[in-house]
Amino acid sequence: KAGVTQTPRYLIKTRGQQVTLSCSPISGHRSVSWYQQTPGQGLQFLFEYFSETQRNKGNFPGRFSGRQFSNSRSEMNVSTLELGDSALYLCASSTGLAGFTDTGELFFGEGSRLTVL
Amino acid sequence: AQRVTQPEKLLSVFKGAPVELKCNYSYSGSPELFWYVQYSRQRLQLLLRHISRESIKGFTADLNKGETSFHLKKPFAQEEDSAMYYCALGYSSASKIIFGSGTRLSIRP
Repeated sequence: KAGVTQTPRYLIKTRGQQVTLSCSPISGHRSVSWYQQTPGQGLQFLFEYFSETQRNKGNFPGRFSGRQFSNSRSEMNVSTLELGDSALYLCASSTGLAGFTDTGELFFGEGSRLTVL
Repeated sequence: AQRVTQPEKLLSVFKGAPVELKCNYSYSGSPELFWYVQYSRQRLQLLLRHISRESIKGFTADLNKGETSFHLKKPFAQEEDSAMYYCALGYSSASKIIFGSGTRLSIRP
């Protein structure tokens, strides 16, 4: 069974630009969660989608948005990029809603490393 | 507010010595707690969950609701245990899992 796939793996943008990251979950998984990972802050929760609906959102500005498609693939978008947005963005899928012990195990992708210049 | 605290950024122990990675959480409801691990050049992956009460790779973790802790322990460290360890709190009411800042475990030969 293929794992969680994230594209692109690396990208460089300049301040003010926008970026779209893609995540393909494990087949059969309906939940996709996004995290921002930085050396200083660790993993910060961005949002979680289940059956095309955003179920929860972390404490990030409105520049960060996402969506999920009917095939469970998800995208996240960051507009008006700032230097502080440089980070590794991780996507994780689970069979059911994140947070439930029996269905909430997260399977992570390798991440998309964004550098903002 | 819900929070996961891992007080140690780095923990270095000798091979064969006991290991304890500390984790404290803040949550008023019934928590679902996990330990995730990231080995060098590998993806972040689940190590164990509190409800399973099982030992994975020699690691165990006990939920102490009185102390709001979920420390990860192993009696005899092995070099292959060197990795980044994250404690995580899940709460189904909010449909999300939050992570601590992580502890880097380094096992010295």
